[in-house]
Parts: sequence; structure tokens; C-alpha cells
Amino acid sequence: ELKVEQNPLFLSMQEGKNYTIYCNYSTTSDRLYWYRQDPGKSLESLFVLLSNGAVKQEGRLMASLDTKARLSTLHITAAVHDLSATYFCAVLSNFGNEKLTFGTGTRLTIIP
Amino acid sequence: ETGVTQTPRHLVMGMTNKKSLKCEQHLGHNAMYWYKQSAKKPLELMFVYNFKEQTENNSVPSRFSPECPNSSHLFLHLHTLQPEDSALYLCASSAPGTMNTEAFFGQGTRLTVV
Repeated sequence: ELKVEQNPLFLSMQEGKNYTIYCNYSTTSDRLYWYRQDPGKSLESLFVLLSNGAVKQEGRLMASLDTKARLSTLHITAAVHDLSATYFCAVLSNFGNEKLTFGTGTRLTIIP
Repeated sequence: ETGVTQTPRHLVMGMTNKKSLKCEQHLGHNAMYWYKQSAKKPLELMFVYNFKEQTENNSVPSRFSPECPNSSHLFLHLHTLQPEDSALYLCASSAPGTMNTEAFFGQGTRLTVV
């Protein structure tokens, strides 16, 4: 059974600082997703990572994928308050009969 | 707007009631999902439908009954629920078997069982 683990679960950081969220998964997969969720809202897609070594950047967020280590990272650069949210990684299994399994989420709070 | 619409947005029901949640997408996706999000638990996959066939039932109690009449619509029928079933229920859809498969989520139904 596929397991997806994120750490940390909670993260408070000051504006302007850099930090990284980690996502480990237990079985082979070539697709990993990052989502953002604001309180009381649904999930918003951030990144789709399709292959080993993939790196994508959008604003102050950068995501990378190492399929050999079964690890993805979400790096936050010079954090701003607007980035406060819960971030989920999700891993796709069973290509063709997809199943998307989510990590536990990381609740990020940016402190002014 | 992601293209996935859920109704109702909020639902309060008694333990003896029967209600249904509805999810609709016109993105041309053939996979649809129900997830449950409780306050203190990770996002839990409940059911997956691929091309209208149920391909995943993640040990969900029978008081939750999914229905997928076509690739655009997904229902979750609820009966004799328990207070611990109160949660945010999220529907998602994706296009299986494509390289850029990405799941898009609806806004969710906030369910309260009293």
C-alpha cells in the first residue's frame, strides 16, 4: 500500500526566510503533485512533477522530484504572509486506473 | 473555478436522514474521486471511479454509497450517518492515462451530522 509522508506537519516561519517541506513516498511513482489549501477552501493545484529531476518554479515556490529517493521537496524563498496555507503533496499510482494518495499536509504560517 | 462543481456547499443532517452529495465536471475527465477531510486527519481517499467503474473502495462503511451514472457526474448517497462522519467531502476529477494527469477539486461539501 502506498504511503505518503510529509514533514514537518506544522511550520511557522518569519517573512523573508527560506524553508523546505519534504514529501516521501513508499512505492514507485513517476508523478507527484503539490496542492495548496486555504482554510475552509478546496485544494488548488500548484505543481505537477512528471519525471526524475523535474523542477518547477512559480513565484516564491519551487518544487523538485527525485524518483530514485522517492522524495519531493517544496522550497519557499523569502516567504510572504500570502503563502500561509496548508500544502499537500500527492502521489499517483496505478497508471490508467489512477489513485491519488495524499500526504498529511504541512500547515504553514508566515509571521510578519 | 476549477471546473468541478459540488452541491450542496453545506449540509446539516440528522442521523436518521438520507441525503446525497453531487459532483459534476465537464472537463472531459474520466476519473472521479471522493475524499473525506476531517479536522484532525489527513485527506482520506474514499472512492475512485474510472470510466464509470468503481476501481477503489477504501474500506468505506456501507452508510456511504457512491454512484457514477456517467463520466461527468458522481454522487455520494448518505444514510444513517454518525456524528464522526462530519467532515469536508471533496470531489475531484482527472484524465487517467494521460501524461499531464492532474486532479482538479471541487469546493467541497461541509457536512455536519447532528
